[in-house]
Amino acid sequence: DAGVIQSPRHEVTEMGQEVTLRCKPISGHNSLFWYRQTMMRGLELLIYFNNNVPIDDSGMPEDRFSAKMPNASFSTLKIQPSEPRDSAVYFCASHIYTLSGGSSYNEQFFGPGTRLTVL
Amino acid sequence: EDQVTQSPEALRLQEGESSSLNCSYTVSGLRGLFWYRQDPGKGPEFLFTLYSAGEEKEKERLKATLTKKESFLHITAPKPEDSATYLCAVRGYGGSQGNLIFGKGTKLSVKP
Repeated sequence: DAGVIQSPRHEVTEMGQEVTLRCKPISGHNSLFWYRQTMMRGLELLIYFNNNVPIDDSGMPEDRFSAKMPNASFSTLKIQPSEPRDSAVYFCASHIYTLSGGSSYNEQFFGPGTRLTVL
Repeated sequence: EDQVTQSPEALRLQEGESSSLNCSYTVSGLRGLFWYRQDPGKGPEFLFTLYSAGEEKEKERLKATLTKKESFLHITAPKPEDSATYLCAVRGYGGSQGNLIFGKGTKLSVKP
């Protein structure tokens, strides 16, 4: 398996532009997470999907941020309009969770991240 | 509110000099404590999951332990390739299923 795939790896854009980040989770995983990492705040959860349904979006900073998961193999995180304070590394992670003795499956697998710079 | 604090923020060791990283946590019912390794420019890589106080897990030169309030990541005779940022995260019963709360990490540098 190729692991979690994210694109683009780097994005430089100007303030006010729309930015779309993409993620392909590991096949068979039923949960998908979007995180943002900065030096100041560390790794923060933005939104979480379970079986393609958004479960918790309380980490999404404001209405400029939106995320979708149209099917089990693809998700997008969109920022419109982008601002310089959105500059960060955005990670996607996927996860398979089972209730029956599934403790060994609770870890999340992270993608390589997208480094976003908003000028 | 679930919270994770890691210390020290940075640690410099000589090759072969053993040490420990600390992860203190407060959580409303621990569902799991996770250790990840993150190399520069890459995503976090899973190392261990611990579920109950007294539990220990080992992988090569790393050993993770857990108490009711903290976890330690012990590094025995480290090598330069162990240099990375080590992240601790917890999942509690109070949060959404699957929601991990991460600490800010300990940046480990091992000099030859």
